[in-house]
Amino acid sequence: NAGVTQTPKFQVLKTGQSMTLQCAQDMNHNSMYWYRQDPGMGLRLIYYSASEGTTDKGEVPNGYNVSRLNKREFSLRLESAAPSQTSVYFCASSKRPDEAFFGQGTRLTVV
Amino acid sequence: GEDVEQSLFLSVREGDSSVINCTYTDSSSTYLYWYKQEPGAGLQLLTYIFSNMDMKQDQRLTVLLNKKDKHLSLRIADTQTGDSAIYFCAELNQAGTALIFGKGTTLSVSS
Repeated sequence: NAGVTQTPKFQVLKTGQSMTLQCAQDMNHNSMYWYRQDPGMGLRLIYYSASEGTTDKGEVPNGYNVSRLNKREFSLRLESAAPSQTSVYFCASSKRPDEAFFGQGTRLTVV
Repeated sequence: GEDVEQSLFLSVREGDSSVINCTYTDSSSTYLYWYKQEPGAGLQLLTYIFSNMDMKQDQRLTVLLNKKDKHLSLRIADTQTGDSAIYFCAELNQAGTALIFGKGTTLSVSS
């Protein structure tokens, strides 16, 4: 029972490089989310998707794009990485918005 | 807008009680939540309380809600070293589509 799977677990990027963070869930949840976690800042919502085919901005969407490829997968893309995007990124999914199941996180460093 | 505030650190001895406090701003919140993040892992839902309740007890956990003061607390009785983690208070955003998290309280338990 995998739950929410994120890849990669770790990544180092140079400023200006692009990359896509992958997330997949096997719980048949409609809603999926991307959060970033920074020291002293807690978790902040980047984007969310209430259902397949829909995406909405969260609190900190600038510099990111998302794709809800199908019900299972929700990817987060950084087109031109900046040092301010160094963070731990968490994907989550839920049947109800309040009971979210989180992945293990992707630790991203932009140098 | 919504905001959730928590103190950042709490240190206790094994066997003592821990009390983690949180204040929130959205008085229309139907439920309030506590999530736990163990080192190197994603968040897990620990417990929640319905807004018309004052208290909820679940084994070693007691949640107290003061709706007038918009204050939520989590008490852990007989704290163990395995309780060392970051604890997040959360509420749903006004649209009811995603969780808003506090900055998290790091609980350190010494033996």
